[in-house]
Amino acid sequence: GDSVTQMEGPVTLSEEAFLTINCTYTATGYPSLFWYVQYPGEGLQLLLKATKADDKGSNKGFEATYRKETTSFHLEKGSVQVSDSAVYFCALMSGGSARQLTFGSGTQLTVLP
Amino acid sequence: GAVVSQHPSRVICKSGTSVKIECRSLDFQATTMFWYRQFPKQSLMLMATSNEGSKATYEQGVEKDKFLINHASLTLSTLTVTSAHPEDSSFYICSAREEAANYGYTFGSGTRLTVV
Repeated sequence: GDSVTQMEGPVTLSEEAFLTINCTYTATGYPSLFWYVQYPGEGLQLLLKATKADDKGSNKGFEATYRKETTSFHLEKGSVQVSDSAVYFCALMSGGSARQLTFGSGTQLTVLP
Repeated sequence: GAVVSQHPSRVICKSGTSVKIECRSLDFQATTMFWYRQFPKQSLMLMATSNEGSKATYEQGVEKDKFLINHASLTLSTLTVTSAHPEDSSFYICSAREEAANYGYTFGSGTRLTVV
């Protein structure tokens, strides 16, 4: 079945540092890939997405490129801010009628001033 | 953009009682809604898929008689935790899919359930 393997956290960085959170996936066919962010006590918000190979999703300075050859969708940001502290989830959606999301385990990011 | 309202955000109940959680799509119709459970510092576990006008589809290991789901309209799905026990304490999150938004998913803000 489908699965998402995500870099374990927690990750602690200083403000303005470079961020990478690794994400690889296993799926049949050609899934859509997503990054969601969860702030404390809240639900999930879509951060970015990519629907086909070589697509790059970007939002708020975050980027991730759909790499079919390495089945990866790593999240990057060139300069993190304290306000980026949150839990980040990589997810995929396969085809089929259900179109459910499969989530990775989540990575806690803490950015220190 | 699409908004999903989840209510209540926080609830404390006594063991043996039932609790209802509502999930509403405010500005779109959602034929399908999803209910997740999240344990502390863990990922989201899909509990069930709620389909408007039909029975919910439960994931393996989720007790359908324990977690009752009703999706009576295109904008409302409810999850009722029946005869709650302390082990049911968790963070519950709903999600709705807006068909017109290219299968985009919108999540509610979650419900923190504490059973004492």
